[in-house]
Amino acid sequence: QKEVEQNSGPLSVPEGAIASLNCTYSDRGSQSFFWYRQYSGKSPELIMSIYSNGDKEDGRFTAQLNKASQYVSLLIRDSQPSDSATYLCAGGQGNFNKFYFGSGTKLNVKP
Amino acid sequence: NAGVTQTPKFRILKIGQSMTLQCTQDMNHNYMYWYRQDPGMGLKLIYYSVGAGITDKGEVPNGYNVSRSTTEDFPLRLELAAPSQTSVYFCASSSTRDSYGYTFGSGTRLTVV
Repeated sequence: QKEVEQNSGPLSVPEGAIASLNCTYSDRGSQSFFWYRQYSGKSPELIMSIYSNGDKEDGRFTAQLNKASQYVSLLIRDSQPSDSATYLCAGGQGNFNKFYFGSGTKLNVKP
Repeated sequence: NAGVTQTPKFRILKIGQSMTLQCTQDMNHNYMYWYRQDPGMGLKLIYYSVGAGITDKGEVPNGYNVSRSTTEDFPLRLELAAPSQTSVYFCASSSTRDSYGYTFGSGTRLTVV
């Protein structure tokens, strides 16, 4: 069973702080990883992708990948109340772009 | 540019009824997917398609069928609805570029009573 695991949270951080979201995966052959943001009652929205070990930055978001430890993380700097959502981690080998999703971490950013 | 369009947004079915969830994309993506999302759970892949006329099962295909007659359309058919199929259904599409992320539709919230 190929799995992607996330802590369900909720993770609460004050406005302006750094939010750190984590994800582990079981399939060592996984090559591609994604972070999606999902507001309550809405569909997931792609915010970051990462394929190589190390860090990838895009604005306030930084994705980190460590294939040896089978670990993916997402850092959100200067967190805003509008960042409050569930964050889904997805990964897989990329065959036909099929990916496995974690159950999501709920983030609450308090003003 | 509409992206991925799903209909209906909400539906209540009685046990044993059938229905088709519609999905259309206008991005000329070859890859299309159907996922279901149960409360507090991740998305589970039901079926996927890599092009017109080509479909395959995902993790949870039982109770569902799909077809793909055109690049744009990928309907999901529920036969003999059961309470276990109460869920939110998302259609998604993806470019054939290596490991490209998904564009999701807005979802269909289905309740089977």
